[in-house]
Amino acid sequence: GAVVSQHPSWVICKSGTSVKIECRSLDFQATTMFWYRQFPKQSLMLMATSNEGSKATYEQGVEKDKFLINHASLTLSTLTVTSAHPEDSSFYICSASMGASNSPLHFGNGTRLTVT
Amino acid sequence: AQSVTQLDSHVSVSEGTPVLLRCNYSSSYSPSLFWYVQHPNKGLQLLLKYTSAATLVKGINGFEAEFKKSETSFHLTKPSAHMSDAAEYFCVVKVASYDKVIFGPGTSLSVIP
Repeated sequence: GAVVSQHPSWVICKSGTSVKIECRSLDFQATTMFWYRQFPKQSLMLMATSNEGSKATYEQGVEKDKFLINHASLTLSTLTVTSAHPEDSSFYICSASMGASNSPLHFGNGTRLTVT
Repeated sequence: AQSVTQLDSHVSVSEGTPVLLRCNYSSSYSPSLFWYVQHPNKGLQLLLKYTSAATLVKGINGFEAEFKKSETSFHLTKPSAHMSDAAEYFCVVKVASYDKVIFGPGTSLSVIP
């Protein structure tokens, strides 16, 4: 149980275009979803926290107009990288929480974004 | 303030020998503690979790960890390393009162045949 599906697993796009990444909780309702960015050989950096039906909370230094997050339902959150540039190339990972204070996070398999 | 320290950025062991990955945390509140494993270009898989029940926690793939409050540690161990254990391991602290998750910097485990 507790499967999180992230799609696509990899994407290549041209500079200036937008890319949407989906994160779905397949067998549970996720009250909270998190989006992370991971640079090579580094830990995960939290970008934003989203709760269903409300605006996402962005971490300091993360541009909310560039990384649009929508959490329209209890099973789906999307991250859209707008007007992508090569420096946005990275590994993006989502995770979902059932909401209980001691419940673990369940992670998607990540999306490798390459902007050319 | 809450923080997580993983004392070794890289650990190398021979196949069949024990594994020890160290984690220390700092938290003003009773935390929940987790270990995750990440294989290259993959998401994170939960290995085990401590949530104030038994201090010795058994996880998947033969891993276990012991919560020691006096030492503020949650070290991950496995009696015998397998080649498939080579991956990145993250110690994670979740502080309920802040609904915040804090990642350690990660330990890269190499297994030598």
